[in-house]
Amino acid sequence: EVQLVESGGGLVKPGGSLRLSCAASGFTFSSYSMNWVRQAPGKGLEWVSSISSSSSYIYYADSVKGRFTISRDNAKNSLYLQMNSLRAEDTAVYYCARDRGVYSNDAFDIWGQGTVVTVSS
Amino acid sequence: DIVMTQSPDSLAVSLGERATINCKSSQSVLYSSNNKNYLAWYQQKPGQPPKLLIYWASTRESGVPDRFSGSGSGTDFTLTISSLQAEDVAVYYCQQYYSTPRGPTFGGGTKVEIK
Repeated sequence: EVQLVESGGGLVKPGGSLRLSCAASGFTFSSYSMNWVRQAPGKGLEWVSSISSSSSYIYYADSVKGRFTISRDNAKNSLYLQMNSLRAEDTAVYYCARDRGVYSNDAFDIWGQGTVVTVSS
Repeated sequence: DIVMTQSPDSLAVSLGERATINCKSSQSVLYSSNNKNYLAWYQQKPGQPPKLLIYWASTRESGVPDRFSGSGSGTDFTLTISSLQAEDVAVYYCQQYYSTPRGPTFGGGTKVEIK
């Protein structure tokens, strides 16, 4: 079964750090670009970051640039998001999601269940 | 950034009736070299992650019922549910994936309810 499972969320104080993980199974992880998308409580979807299959191309939303770092370990079938200098507005459910295709920009066809990040003092 | 604007914010439709959701992009998401519109539609039910329904503006994802259809090109797109079922109650999002490196962007969502 094709699956993504996030972990690492929790409660953190403003200015703190957190590292999210996403474990992939059921497909050839190393062939696909991967993404992080977040959803603040009661709000819509916001793309956070993308990483290409070989980590050659990495992109960030302006709202997290300089604070968050996306990475992957293809040998471990895992995607990561290192989040530093966290702010209250980073409070959200964080989803990892797979690009549908292997060649270029594509829709997100597989999503994890999400992990909750709460930034509060 | 490409801004995606959905309308309406919410709509209530009777069971078996048609639901229509609109999505407008601030610039064209039609890539001329392959004639594809980089536009997707997602369905999100409460407490669940989004589910891909439509990609390339009109291609139904495997397993998605054929009552869901997508249309449009360039900057104006539509998601149609031809005969609303109770299980279709959800929030629907459009997304453009044309823009790199600025990244994909989502519309604000449309909540579909039963009248």
